[in-house]
Amino acid sequence: DVKVTQSSRYLVKRTGEKVFLECVQDMDHENMFWYRQDPGLGLRLIYFSYDVKMKEKGDIPEGYSVSREKKERFSLILESASTNQTSMYLCASSLGQGGQPQHFGDGTRLSIL
Amino acid sequence: GQSLEQPSEVTAVEGAIVQINCTYQTSGFYGLSWYQQHDGGAPTFLSYNALDGLEETGRFSSFLSRSDSYGYLLLQELQMKDSASYFCAPSGSARQLTFGSGTQLTVLP
Repeated sequence: DVKVTQSSRYLVKRTGEKVFLECVQDMDHENMFWYRQDPGLGLRLIYFSYDVKMKEKGDIPEGYSVSREKKERFSLILESASTNQTSMYLCASSLGQGGQPQHFGDGTRLSIL
Repeated sequence: GQSLEQPSEVTAVEGAIVQINCTYQTSGFYGLSWYQQHDGGAPTFLSYNALDGLEETGRFSSFLSRSDSYGYLLLQELQMKDSASYFCAPSGSARQLTFGSGTQLTVLP
């Protein structure tokens, strides 16, 4: 079974802090994704990566950056956290192209105070 | 532009059949996926349609009409455990999905 592990289930940070969310997958998947999920808005794509050191902006990249130094690890960085970044963050990975399923981690519920 | 429409809520009773419709508009189109998410849980993959027609997996079936930019998820013999949010997700590119707001399905005893 594919395992996508997010480093924290719950996280509380303060406004202006630099925040790192880590995600690791164990199935040698090429593609990795970061989403945020808010009530009534569904899942929105922040960034994705289809190879090491490659990244592509999703629909809402503002205020975020990412890092993919190793194939199995994809990090989401909030450069200067703000209260409107309080959300559930979901990491996913998938293999190849053409409708391959995305496998999700359990999510990190991030609160910015 | 991109748009995605599915009902926000659906309610049905145990044992019934329910259909969740999805209409989409994307600049490119590779296929339509469906995901299930229970409260507090992670989304899990249900099905993928790249071609027109019906795909059946147990109690769940998914349908796609590319010419109508339309698909649906059909859930048969509903069980209480099917209460969850269901997301249709068109692929506008080879690797990406676009998720909508989802449909909250409530199954009543």
